[in-house]
Amino acid sequence: NAGVMQNPRHLVRRRGQEARLRCSPMKGHSHVYWYRQLPEEGLKFMVYLQKENIIDESGMPKERFSAEFPKEGPSILRIQQVVRGDSAAYFCASSLGTDSGNTIYFGEGSWLTVV
Amino acid sequence: GIQVEQSPPDLILQEGANSTLRCNFSDSVNNLQWFHQNPWGQLINLFYIPSGTKQNGRLSATTVATERYSLLYISSSQTTDSGVYFCAVGFSGTYKYIFGTGTRLKVLA
Repeated sequence: NAGVMQNPRHLVRRRGQEARLRCSPMKGHSHVYWYRQLPEEGLKFMVYLQKENIIDESGMPKERFSAEFPKEGPSILRIQQVVRGDSAAYFCASSLGTDSGNTIYFGEGSWLTVV
Repeated sequence: GIQVEQSPPDLILQEGANSTLRCNFSDSVNNLQWFHQNPWGQLINLFYIPSGTKQNGRLSATTVATERYSLLYISSSQTTDSGVYFCAVGFSGTYKYIFGTGTRLKVLA
């Protein structure tokens, strides 16, 4: 499968625990995006990364949330000390990042439930 | 600020009917895509269409960038078309996409 791969698909955490969501972009893609979707709402931009660099984190909450895209391995979205309001679907997308057409492709999402 | 608005917010159709979904955006765009989110939550790429017109089977889309809107046409709708349709816009100077508010479509058998 050459698509965007996310894991885990479903994650349950107790309040105060940490959640780590992983995203492997499509082969050849060096641009990764994370979006959050609350129940019955649209997708909200969180962060945009290239290899080893955060390009735009204007949608990330100021505390508890962090993202990385290391030189080797998947992109990681990390949520520390989770609260019930963090329960949501987290979608990752990737793209080539070219000026001639920057189509983004989404993974199947990671559903986080905080109990 | 930057805005992407879709209309109508909700739409109920009888199977076989046609529909037009609209996406208005507030600034110049480099990229625009339409997605279908199915009832299982998957986001399916429909069109990459920053300008012009494209067709794929029963679906077609038109973007008039100078007037800052895009339209998605669904003809002969089927129950499998149900779900939420999003437009996502990449504004000039950035590769990130901003999503619209979505149109929730339900097609009745």
